[in-house]
Amino acid sequence: AIRITQSPSSLSASTGDSVTITCRASQDISNYLAWYQQKPGKAPKLLIYAASTLHSGVPSRFSGNGSGTDFTLTISRLQSEDFATFYCQQYYTYPRTFGQGTKVEIK
Amino acid sequence: QVQLVESGGGVVQPGRFLRLSCAASGFTFSNYGMHWVRQAPGKGLDWVAVISHDGSNKYYADSVKGRFTISRDNSKNTLFLQMSSLRAEDTAVYYCAKDHRGIVGATDYWGQGTLVTVSS
Repeated sequence: AIRITQSPSSLSASTGDSVTITCRASQDISNYLAWYQQKPGKAPKLLIYAASTLHSGVPSRFSGNGSGTDFTLTISRLQSEDFATFYCQQYYTYPRTFGQGTKVEIK
Repeated sequence: QVQLVESGGGVVQPGRFLRLSCAASGFTFSNYGMHWVRQAPGKGLDWVAVISHDGSNKYYADSVKGRFTISRDNSKNTLFLQMSSLRAEDTAVYYCAKDHRGIVGATDYWGQGTLVTVSS
């Protein structure tokens, strides 16, 4: 199975800051990477697919980049509603695999 | 709007079985692949299984292969997960999720989840 290494596992930031989360795949997955946001007690929500395409209704302060094995999610101008846990997932092949998650907390 | 509602979770003894359901609405169910993804308490997301739009293709995580069966009834817009030989490590919230494109896309909509607890 393809391993996805996500970092950092947590970070603290203030409203208005920009933050970047990284995922690295153990092999080339082209651009078959998605990013999800999950708030406590809630289901994950799709933010970005195909590494950089925003899902419908997702604010433009979220952006994704990368291809091959290295990918980033950047949140510009953090808003209060953005504090959550973020996961990346490869869908290049089965079994699909997720990163370990990054918890974005308020500083 | 897309709506996915899981049901069937509960407390079950190790070695027993349980069937989860996911009722879909707001989209043409028979056109899309569907997934099950689980999340153990306090842990990350763990992909479980996928079924193609017509049920002809299915894939499973190694951890559930041979114990879990994914199926669907397109006439009732419902997805199922038959779980047998349950283990303590299967304890999790189980989410159903719609594939964005066949069975080769990201999962674009998720249900609220149903909790399965495997305990004696």
